[in-house]
This record gives sequence, C-alpha cells and structure tokens, in this order.
Amino acid sequence: GAGVSQSPSNKVTEKGKDVELRCDPISGHTALYWYRQRLGQGLEFLIYFQGNSAPDKSGLPSDRFSAERTGESVSTLTIQRTQQEDSAVYLCASSFSRDRGRTFGSGTRLTVV
Amino acid sequence: AQTVTQSQPEMSVQEAETVTLSCTYDTSESDYYLFWYKQPPSRQMILVIRQEAYKQQNATENRFSVNFQKAAKSFSLKISDSQLGDAAMYFCAYRFNSGNTPLVFGKGTRLSVIA
Repeated sequence: GAGVSQSPSNKVTEKGKDVELRCDPISGHTALYWYRQRLGQGLEFLIYFQGNSAPDKSGLPSDRFSAERTGESVSTLTIQRTQQEDSAVYLCASSFSRDRGRTFGSGTRLTVV
Repeated sequence: AQTVTQSQPEMSVQEAETVTLSCTYDTSESDYYLFWYKQPPSRQMILVIRQEAYKQQNATENRFSVNFQKAAKSFSLKISDSQLGDAAMYFCAYRFNSGNTPLVFGKGTRLSVIA
C-alpha cells in the first residue's frame, strides 16, 4: 500500500479481555516496529521485526503483550487480559531496514474500561 | 541508558513568526542520529528533520532548521515563518547508530500557531 495501515483505528474493550491490533506495513519494508504512546507522553518502543530474524522484544512491558509477523507482511500485536493501564495509542512503523527512515501509521487508540 | 528531554510542554507562536523548540539528550555514544517528528491530530508521526551526529553542519529542511550542539547534547528545532499547519505535537528522538536500536523519544512539545 501507499502507507502503513493500522486497524482498528479505535478500540474500546473491557478490562480482562484480549485484544488484537493489526499493522500492514509498506510493501517491501523489511523492518517493522511497534510503539506505545500513553496520553501526554512520547513513544515507548515495544518490539522490532527485521525480515526473518528473531524479533527484538526488549520493550514489551509484560508477558501479556506479544506480537507476530510472518516474513515481511502483516504484524499483529496481542494484549491479553487487558488492564486500564494498557489504554494508549499503539503506533506501528516500517522501513526498508533499521538504518532507513521509518514511516508511521496513524495508530490504534485502545481504551480499556 | 539514553534519555531525551523536552523541557517545554507547550509553546505558541504568531503566524509568520519564528519559534524554537528545545531538546536535550543524554548518551555516552558518539555515533548516533537525532530526529524531530511532528504529530498532528491524525496521530501519524511525520519526520521533520534528521541530523547525523558526525556531521557538524546543522540540518535544514525548508522552513525547519536545527541547532545541533554535540558537546552540550542539545538539539533545538527552529521553525521560521510559522504557518497554521505547523500546529502539532513535536517530538525529539534519538537513535544509536548500531544494531537493532529503537528510537528513544522525548515527551513532546505542543505547538500552537496563533493567526
């Protein structure tokens, strides 16, 4: 596609439910990043995928968070047993490689009630 | 650990005037990149300008320029001839130039442009 596409745009879920967020990177981009942006804060790195290499999961805040990506295609970020503190905008970005500029999507705003 | 600090939560500027947004960072590395991103209400992060630490010359992109002071670890953004469309959140970010290093962001500065 022309840009990084994220869905859904907004998600409201009840505390304790699982949610799945989707990111469609720009075609041909080998690197994909997930970030979390809490209200009034900057972006926090969550996880990074580069081609078929093992992902860098160093930013995942707890074992309730996981992400998958098959090859250089779509990625899904899953949050299990959501908590109110998980409420944030989740942004995805992709690039040709780690050394190239990143293109961001418009994010998914997650609200846990 | 690297940190990025933006000490101005909010700034405002008159249309057509110039405004400077501040950013300082902390790192023990010598080879890294610095960035300014703009985030409008659409939430998409848009790259405004990028600076390689090994370059002494300050980066410039049209009305946007930076004042990079490596010794002081300062990286301010100057917006000249401000336009209404410049109103947004601005984030300063750092990335070490090695390995799978992620961007480290500051907390942002909200810029308002007054007509």
